[in-house]
Amino acid sequence: EADIYQTPRYLVIGTGKKITLECSQTMGHDKMYWYQQDPGMELHLIHYSYGVNSTEKGDLSSESTVSRIRTEHFPLTLESARPSHTSQYLCASSEYVGGLADTQYFGPGTRLTVL
Amino acid sequence: GENVEQHPSTLSVQEGDSAVIKCTYSDSASNYFPWYKQELGKGPQLIIDIRSNVGEKKDQRIAVTLNKTAKHFSLHITETQPEDSAVYFCAASITGTASKLTFGTGTRLQVTL
Repeated sequence: EADIYQTPRYLVIGTGKKITLECSQTMGHDKMYWYQQDPGMELHLIHYSYGVNSTEKGDLSSESTVSRIRTEHFPLTLESARPSHTSQYLCASSEYVGGLADTQYFGPGTRLTVL
Repeated sequence: GENVEQHPSTLSVQEGDSAVIKCTYSDSASNYFPWYKQELGKGPQLIIDIRSNVGEKKDQRIAVTLNKTAKHFSLHITETQPEDSAVYFCAASITGTASKLTFGTGTRLQVTL
């Protein structure tokens, strides 16, 4: 069982609000990821980090931002939420140990609804 | 970059039958191929993976096969049970410090009684 947590699990907010989705892992993994999952199931990588103070944009453009000040924590922030941000957000982490594949472990997700 | 195609998008089988989900990838350098199962309201969970130096791997009722030449890999579930109903994702990556997974579009498997 992977030790990766996301809060809140569900969030309903109004347009224009600033929100932060929390993700934390206790496995000491260097790598962390944020995915956006649309109702059609597809997973889209929106941000990733290879370690503290390292953040990169993913394959899908997103208006959200992330930070990685501590190894175990990778929060995602939306400065001004809009209905188009309504989606499921999944956080994951992994660790590359030389020569072995780095398995990604996922959190339970945050379902965000912006009214 | 890598592109992973997954078929079918939905699959309905009767309990006890087998289910097969197929994926193709584009980057011949990819060497790691995990499969994830996502149940309703949960995040994806790894169920089996295979590396490019292996052609087949089995874990109880689940098996994965890899054809590097054709650049495709498949998930096989035998003796399906209702609890196998979920969305399944294949993925591909090149292992390394800067690796990222490229996911397929998902298959919704429904096991009927």
